[in-house]
Amino acid sequence: NAGVTQTPKFQVLKTGQSMTLQCAQDMNHNSMYWYRQDPGMGLRLIYYSASEGTTDKGEVPNGYNVSRLNKREFSLRLESAAPSQTSVYFCASLAGTSYNEQFFGPGTRLTVL
Amino acid sequence: KQEVTQIPAALSVPEGENLVLNCSFTDSAIYNLQWFRQDPGKGLTSLLLIQSSQREQTSGRLNASLDKSSGRSTLYIAASQPGDSATYLCAPGSGNTGKLIFGQGTTLQVKP
Repeated sequence: NAGVTQTPKFQVLKTGQSMTLQCAQDMNHNSMYWYRQDPGMGLRLIYYSASEGTTDKGEVPNGYNVSRLNKREFSLRLESAAPSQTSVYFCASLAGTSYNEQFFGPGTRLTVL
Repeated sequence: KQEVTQIPAALSVPEGENLVLNCSFTDSAIYNLQWFRQDPGKGLTSLLLIQSSQREQTSGRLNASLDKSSGRSTLYIAASQPGDSATYLCAPGSGNTGKLIFGQGTTLQVKP
């Protein structure tokens, strides 16, 4: 099993460009999450999906959209990238209930110029 | 709103020392608490998961304790090794959606 995979690993964008970060998990998990990690701020939740077909906002959703394409895949889209969105983005997944362990992908390092 | 604080922010110790990393959180209504390890430029690796009903969990040289009522968790590392050098993050899980709230981490350096 690959666990949680993310593409791309690195990306450089210009202000105003759009892109989609991809995440997939092969563990048959119900819930999936997108976090961003910034120096001095720790990891913060952007959006999450408790099950296929549902999505909800986290702590810092502005400037982002998400799609839970199916049970395996959860994508994060930046419609018009801004320098403030320069960050490392992590996808995570969780099996079953909130009592279980959350697993993280390797991250996407995004720079917006 | 849940707030998580990790002390110290950074720690440098000689190899072989036993050490304790501290995590405090403001909202005791948690489902569980996870400790993660993060190497520079890498993702998060789960070390230990403690359920809200548990007092501690052990994995090898690692032992994590949880005092939910006082909003505290500690990660004890026995006989530290240079390979333990990394940033350690604690994250209590609140609500029934599995959302984690992260502290800013403790960066550990173990010197040979």
